[in-house]
Amino acid sequence: EIVMTQSPATVSVSPGERATLSCRASQSISRKLAWYQQKPGQPPRLLIYDASTRATGISARFSGSGSGTEFTLSISSLQSEDFAVYYCQQYSEWHTFGQGTKLEIK
Amino acid sequence: QAQLVESGGGLVKPGGSLRLACVASGFNFSGHYMSWIRQAPGKGLEWLSYISNSGSYGNYADSVKGRFTISRDNTKNSLYLQMNSLRADDTAVYYCARAGRAGDLWGQGTLVTVSS
Repeated sequence: EIVMTQSPATVSVSPGERATLSCRASQSISRKLAWYQQKPGQPPRLLIYDASTRATGISARFSGSGSGTEFTLSISSLQSEDFAVYYCQQYSEWHTFGQGTKLEIK
Repeated sequence: QAQLVESGGGLVKPGGSLRLACVASGFNFSGHYMSWIRQAPGKGLEWLSYISNSGSYGNYADSVKGRFTISRDNTKNSLYLQMNSLRADDTAVYYCARAGRAGDLWGQGTLVTVSS
């Protein structure tokens, strides 16, 4: 099974600043990676797929990069609605999620 | 507006069975792979199963293989998950999602609690 490891577990960033979240795969997954945002009591929302393609309706403040085993989600000019838990998910071999990174207000 | 609505969750005893349903609207249901994904209380996400758009092919996570069965009825725009031999660690919110690779549309979820 491909294990996805996200870091850090929690990150504190001030509104208006930039947040950078990391996701590492236990083996190469090419660019078969998605990022989701989840707020309490809500289902996940797809932000990025194929490592860097924004999903429909997603702000350009969200950007994804990486390939192979190392991936990054960047969120610029943080707004109040961006504070949430973020998950990465690989779909190279079955589907597995990272454990999540909580983005909290500093 | 595209939408997925799950139903069928509830309280069930260990060893029991439950059938979840997900009704789709606002998009061409028969043109998409569909999936079931769950989230235990306060925990992360686990992809359980997906089914091809025609329903001819499905696959499962090892944790549910042999116990859960995914199916669909394209005439009713509906996706199903038959869950047998339920265990306490199956307690979770179960989401259906429009997803073969990444899930771009999710339902609100239905809670399944397995407890005696």
